[in-house]
Amino acid sequence: NAGVTQTPKFRVLKTGQSMTLLCAQDMNHEYMYWYRQDPGMGLRLIHYSVGEGTTAKGEVPDGYNVSRLKKQNFLLGLESAAPSQTSVYFCASSRDRNYGYTFGSGTRLTVV
Amino acid sequence: KQEVTQIPAALSVPEGENLVLNCSFTDSAIYNLQWFRQDPGKGLTSLLLIQSSQREQTSGRLNASLDKSSGRSTLYIAASQPGDSATYLCAGSSNTGKLIFGQGTTLQVKP
Repeated sequence: NAGVTQTPKFRVLKTGQSMTLLCAQDMNHEYMYWYRQDPGMGLRLIHYSVGEGTTAKGEVPDGYNVSRLKKQNFLLGLESAAPSQTSVYFCASSRDRNYGYTFGSGTRLTVV
Repeated sequence: KQEVTQIPAALSVPEGENLVLNCSFTDSAIYNLQWFRQDPGKGLTSLLLIQSSQREQTSGRLNASLDKSSGRSTLYIAASQPGDSATYLCAGSSNTGKLIFGQGTTLQVKP
């Protein structure tokens, strides 16, 4: 039982490049989340999903897109990376709002 | 808009002390409240979850309480140990499923 798996774990991008971060969970959870964590800013919610085929904006959605085509996967896309998107990205999932949240180990992204 | 605040931002105590970490939230319509631990460079480990109908949860030396009317939660750590040194984060969830984090309290327990 892997829980929440994030790929890749590390990535360096050049400004303007695009990439997709993958979050996969094997717990049949309905809710999935993408956060970014920056020094002094804490964890900020980018986008989230309350079920397959649904997505919603969080606190800092600009510059990111997401898709939840399959229940077990939640993809975070950067269409044109900027240095301000250098951060550690965490994915989380939950069975529903009554249950706790499980986090992945993070993706460290550097945009140069 | 839900905002979550943690006080203090940093705390240093000698080994063996009992301590309390505070978390406050602006929207009393909070659904659940969860406490996490994060070690440097690592992910988040769930410590305690207080569901909407509950007032407290206990796990070993940890006890967390939730008072929705006052917008406060506390994490009590008994007989602190150097291995407890980490950043502690609280997060509140709304009935729409959003989970909002405080900025954390960084704890150092000195031997």
